[in-house]
Amino acid sequence: EVQLVESGGGLIQPGGSLRLSCAASGFTVSSNYMSWVRQAPGKGLEWVSVIYNDGSTNYADSVKGRFTISRDNSKNTLYLQMNSLRAEDTAVYYCAKVGWLRFIDYWGQGTLVTVSS
Amino acid sequence: QSALTQPASVSGSPGQSITMSCTGTSSDVGGYNYVSWYQQHPGKAPKLMIYDVSKRPSGVSNRFSGSKSGNTASLTISGLQAEDEADYHCSSYTTSTTLVFGGGTKLTVL
Repeated sequence: EVQLVESGGGLIQPGGSLRLSCAASGFTVSSNYMSWVRQAPGKGLEWVSVIYNDGSTNYADSVKGRFTISRDNSKNTLYLQMNSLRAEDTAVYYCAKVGWLRFIDYWGQGTLVTVSS
Repeated sequence: QSALTQPASVSGSPGQSITMSCTGTSSDVGGYNYVSWYQQHPGKAPKLMIYDVSKRPSGVSNRFSGSKSGNTASLTISGLQAEDEADYHCSSYTTSTTLVFGGGTKLTVL
């Protein structure tokens, strides 16, 4: 059974850093495309980042240069390093397994990141 | 990459059919048959309902169907049930090899 369990969210001041983790089971992270998707309170979903099975990455313009997606193959875990956080980064962050690059077939339960002073 | 456009809300009575739209551009919806739809109940993670415009994952009711014409995709739910009340999000693959989502549509079952 595929499972994705996020952790690492919390309250952080503007300009601060946070690292989210996503422990995967039931499949191999390094063999799949993996993404982070976020949802601001009361808003729609926003794609944030993807790491492809070859290790290359891509980012939404809104986070480029501030966020870094990575994975630890030995731990079968996905990460999102978030730096220079802004109030508009406040959202529930979902870890997601991408099916054939073009849809998300499994979602984590989400972890809330609140950027506020 | 601009978000796809979805109506803020739609509604229908039990047993009726409803259709909601998702409009993009030739760089996303219109350029590929890679539109997906997700159902999200309050406080829960999204759930994949439709992928590749009209395909249903195993376990999804055949009351849910998808289609596309030009730059606009549609999700139709037939035989509306109370448990269908949720937010529905569309998504598309893009020319940037990324995904783009819509703003979401709130479905109310009257």
